[in-house]
Amino acid sequence: EVQLLESGGGLVQPGGSLRLSCAPSGFTFSSFGMSWVRQAPGKGLEWVSVISSNAYATYYADSVKGRFTISRDNSKNTLYLQMNSLRSEDTAVYYCAKAKGPGNGFYDYWGQGTLVTVSS
Amino acid sequence: DIQMTQSPSALSATVGDRVTITCRASRTISTWLAWYQQKPGKAPNLLIYTASSVQDGVPSRFSGSGSGTEFTLTISSLQPDDFATYYCQQYNSYPWTFGQGTKVEIK
Repeated sequence: EVQLLESGGGLVQPGGSLRLSCAPSGFTFSSFGMSWVRQAPGKGLEWVSVISSNAYATYYADSVKGRFTISRDNSKNTLYLQMNSLRSEDTAVYYCAKAKGPGNGFYDYWGQGTLVTVSS
Repeated sequence: DIQMTQSPSALSATVGDRVTITCRASRTISTWLAWYQQKPGKAPNLLIYTASSVQDGVPSRFSGSGSGTEFTLTISSLQPDDFATYYCQQYNSYPWTFGQGTKVEIK
């Protein structure tokens, strides 16, 4: 059974940093692209970032470019999202998601999400 | 960036109704479109990809169609488990973008 378990969320002050982790199981992690998608309270889904299976390619939403960094350690079966210079508008539930196909474009498995709250 | 616009933003329907949700892209995305269902407090669930391919395990009452800039998600006979919010997502060009969502409520 495929499972994705996010961790690392919490309360952080504006301008602060946080690192999210996602621990997958039930599939060969190194064979699939992975993404982070977020959802602000009461709002819709916002795609944040994607990383290819071999970590050679990464892409970001304009709203986080230059502040967030996606990475992965295939030897440790872990996906990361390093978030710096956090703003109140980054407050959201952050989901990690597994890409279904080779284009890394859409997602067939999602974690339960981890809440990030940016507030003083 | 490609903007995705869903209509309606919300609808009220009865069990057994045929429901159609539309998603329009600000420029052509071929068939690089997915649909998701999300229930309150839960992660999204993939329903449709490449505009019309049904994900494994998704009931046959769900179908998708369209290409270019206009797409539809159809639920042929609404069931109690289908009351949820539905999102389209384009993956033609980065950054991937979602529609704003369509909430399907009980009439």
